[in-house]
Amino acid sequence: GAVVSQHPSWVICKSGTSVKIECRSLDFQATTMFWYRQFPKQSLMLMATSNEGSKATYEQGVEKDKFLINHASLTLSTLTVTSAHPEDSSFYICSARVSGRSTDTQYFGPGTRLTVL
Amino acid sequence: QQQVKQSPQSLIVQKGGISIINCAYENTAFDYFPWYQQFPGKGPALLIAIRPDVSEKKEGRFTISFNKSAKQFSLHIMDSQPGDSATYFCAASMGGSGGSNYKLTFGKGTLLTVNP
Repeated sequence: GAVVSQHPSWVICKSGTSVKIECRSLDFQATTMFWYRQFPKQSLMLMATSNEGSKATYEQGVEKDKFLINHASLTLSTLTVTSAHPEDSSFYICSARVSGRSTDTQYFGPGTRLTVL
Repeated sequence: QQQVKQSPQSLIVQKGGISIINCAYENTAFDYFPWYQQFPGKGPALLIAIRPDVSEKKEGRFTISFNKSAKQFSLHIMDSQPGDSATYFCAASMGGSGGSNYKLTFGKGTLLTVNP
């Protein structure tokens, strides 16, 4: 149980284009989902917290107009990288917290490797 | 300000040995301390987690030791195997209190290599 999927697993795009990454909780409902980015050999950096049906909360320094987050249902959150540039190339990972429980446990997706040319 | 400090950065252990990774935190409001294992190109996977009301938790070969007064916790991997070679992250959360929304604060990670 508690499986989180991401799609696509990798994507290559041209500079200036937009890319959408999906995060799905497959066997549970997730009121809260989180988006992270990770550079090689570094830790996870939280970008934003996404609550179903409300606006995402972005961490300091993360451009909300560049990284659009939508959490339209209890099983799906999307991250859109708008007007991507080479410096946006990174490993993007989502996680989900199980709804209905006062638990901190987050289950992570397998990640999406974004390469911007 | 790094709120969770993890050491060592890298660790090499022989097969069958004990791997020990340490973390220290500053925020006394943290009340949930998980450890994650990450293989290259994959997302982190939850290994084991502990709350401050217990000093130790064991699951198979993995044990968390927790010292509330010292604000430290550690991961012990017994009988380490080459398949355990991965990056390990400690993390901390203060749950939903104070609007924190269950956010995790991660350590910088430890690259564990278990030699056969």
